[in-house]
Amino acid sequence: GNSVTQMEGPVTLSEEAFLTINCTYTATGYPSLFWYVQYPGEGLQLLLKATKADDKGSNKGFEATYRKETTSFHLEKGSVQVSDSAVYFCALSDTDSWGKLQFGAGTQVVVTP
Amino acid sequence: DTEVTQTPKHLVMGMTNKKSLKCEQHMGHRAMYWYKQKAKKPPELMFVYSYEKLSINESVPSRFSPECPNSSLLNLHLHALQPEDSALYLCASSLTGTGNYEQYFGPGTRLTVT
Repeated sequence: GNSVTQMEGPVTLSEEAFLTINCTYTATGYPSLFWYVQYPGEGLQLLLKATKADDKGSNKGFEATYRKETTSFHLEKGSVQVSDSAVYFCALSDTDSWGKLQFGAGTQVVVTP
Repeated sequence: DTEVTQTPKHLVMGMTNKKSLKCEQHMGHRAMYWYKQKAKKPPELMFVYSYEKLSINESVPSRFSPECPNSSLLNLHLHALQPEDSALYLCASSLTGTGNYEQYFGPGTRLTVT
């Protein structure tokens, strides 16, 4: 079956530091990959997506590249801000999953001034 | 506009009450979803509606009853809930229920069962 594994948190960083959150996946079909962000007390927001191998998704300074050879979709940001403090979820949707999203466990990121 | 709205934002109910959660989207999406999220966990899928028909029920107890009156609205009727049902309930929508379209989430309803 499909699964998503992402690094455990919390990840604590200083403002302007470089952020990487690792995400690897297993899938039986041709998945699309997503990063969602959840700020405290809110719902999930789509951060970025990639639908095929070598696609790069980007938004708000965040980037992730769909790597089929390593089955990975790591999230990166070059210079984080306090406002980036949130929980980040890696997720996949497979062609045979009828729209079901398979989420990773989530990684809490805490950015300090 | 990529907005999914949910009402109410907060709900406190007793174990004998009946209440409903509402979700609305005006993006022309034909798939809508209910998720349950416990603290510090990812969302868990409960139900999927595709073209107003229930296509997936993830073995959810019958005290949760979904309804999709039209392509823009999704309800979740609650009856005789248990304290362990306290959670954040999220609604989402996507263009269709097949393929790999992204889902857009609402802000959620924080439910407390007393």
